[in-house]
Amino acid sequence: DSGVTQTPKHLITATGQRVTLRCSPRSGDLSVYWYQQSLDQGLQFLIQYYNGEERAKGNILERFSAQQFPDLHSELNLSSLELGDSALYFCASSVGQGAWETQYFGPGTRLLVL
Amino acid sequence: LAKTTQPISMDSYEGQEVNITCSHNNIATNDYITWYQQFPSQGPRFIIQGYKTKVTNEVASLFIPADRKSSTLSLPRVSLSDTAVYYCLVGDIWGGSNYKLTFGKGTLLTVNP
Repeated sequence: DSGVTQTPKHLITATGQRVTLRCSPRSGDLSVYWYQQSLDQGLQFLIQYYNGEERAKGNILERFSAQQFPDLHSELNLSSLELGDSALYFCASSVGQGAWETQYFGPGTRLLVL
Repeated sequence: LAKTTQPISMDSYEGQEVNITCSHNNIATNDYITWYQQFPSQGPRFIIQGYKTKVTNEVASLFIPADRKSSTLSLPRVSLSDTAVYYCLVGDIWGGSNYKLTFGKGTLLTVNP
């Protein structure tokens, strides 16, 4: 158990819909990262927040957005969902904000768009 | 962020030592090298991290030559439970607004009985 929690574990929705994925980092961690993993794309970095501020942005679509709240939990919002958005979404956390920080990953949210 | 190149897959047998090499020709002075392990449907898990020479912990060793353009993860006496995807990640403490954290496709290690 990494100490990072993600909800829900599974999510099934339809194209065009909007969903919100939630992540609670390990106690004391200030950075939260979001990743998307699909069979053909591997593990893709989406976005990083550090202490409430956006720190780095990766391959995140404009239909996707995220935020980190004052209590440091984070939410990833996916809208206008397409079939291709079906994937495992991981959240990770770390103490600091550097790219060399050890990241602790949550169990993931499996999203299926029908 | 330095681009990394790893073999797509490797096969081994129980009890053998496995070495997985990652190339990172454009590694920068401040970059650290980190390896993660991922089992199916689970999030990656930190294995080991180093900057230069050799680092060893209870599960693996990491060898980094003087030029730091590559690194080798060494798993001693692998077991069936070591079957997983292994990712090499290179990054620095200073990201800036445009840096990307790239795990790549990783190396699928299959340990056979």
